[in-house]
Amino acid sequence: GAVVSQHPSRVICKSGTSVKIECRSLDFQATTMFWYRQFPKQSLMLMATSNEGSKATYEQGVEKDKFLINHASLTLSTLTVTSAHPEDSSFYICSARDRVTATDTQYFGPGTRLTVL
Amino acid sequence: AQSVTQLGSHVSVSEGALVLLRCNYSSSVPPYLFWYVQYPNQGLQLLLKYTTGATLVKGINGFEAEFKKSETSFHLTKPSAHMSDAAEYFCALSDGNNRLAFGKGNQVVVIP
Repeated sequence: GAVVSQHPSRVICKSGTSVKIECRSLDFQATTMFWYRQFPKQSLMLMATSNEGSKATYEQGVEKDKFLINHASLTLSTLTVTSAHPEDSSFYICSARDRVTATDTQYFGPGTRLTVL
Repeated sequence: AQSVTQLGSHVSVSEGALVLLRCNYSSSVPPYLFWYVQYPNQGLQLLLKYTTGATLVKGINGFEAEFKKSETSFHLTKPSAHMSDAAEYFCALSDGNNRLAFGKGNQVVVIP
């Protein structure tokens, strides 16, 4: 149980294009999802908290117009990297909290490797 | 501000030897502490967590960790390393609002 998927697992795009990454909770409902960014050999940095049916809350220093988050249903959150540039290349990971158990445990997706050329 | 410190990015341990990964934290509120493991090309998997109550926490795969408030530590141990323990391990701290702050991680290498 408590499986989170991400799609795509890898994406390569040209500079200036937009890329959408999906995060799905497969066997539970998630009112809250989180988006992280992980640089090579570094830790995960929380980018934003995504709440179903409301606007995402972004961490300090994260451009909300650059990283658009939509959490339209209890099982899906999307992160769109708009006008991507090479410095946006990174490993993006999402996580989700189970709405029913409402514990402090986050279940993580396998991540999406974004490469911007 | 919440922060987590994990020293030593790479940790080598012989098969059958003790695994010890150190985690120290800084928190202005009573912390919730977690250890996650990440295998190559996979998501993070929860090993164990401390919220309240018993300070010695047992997790999956034979791992355990002890919360020591006086030392602001939450070190992870396993008595006997197995080859399958080779992975990256992250210590994380929650601020009570489910926002996690992660340490830099330890890459564990198990030597046969």
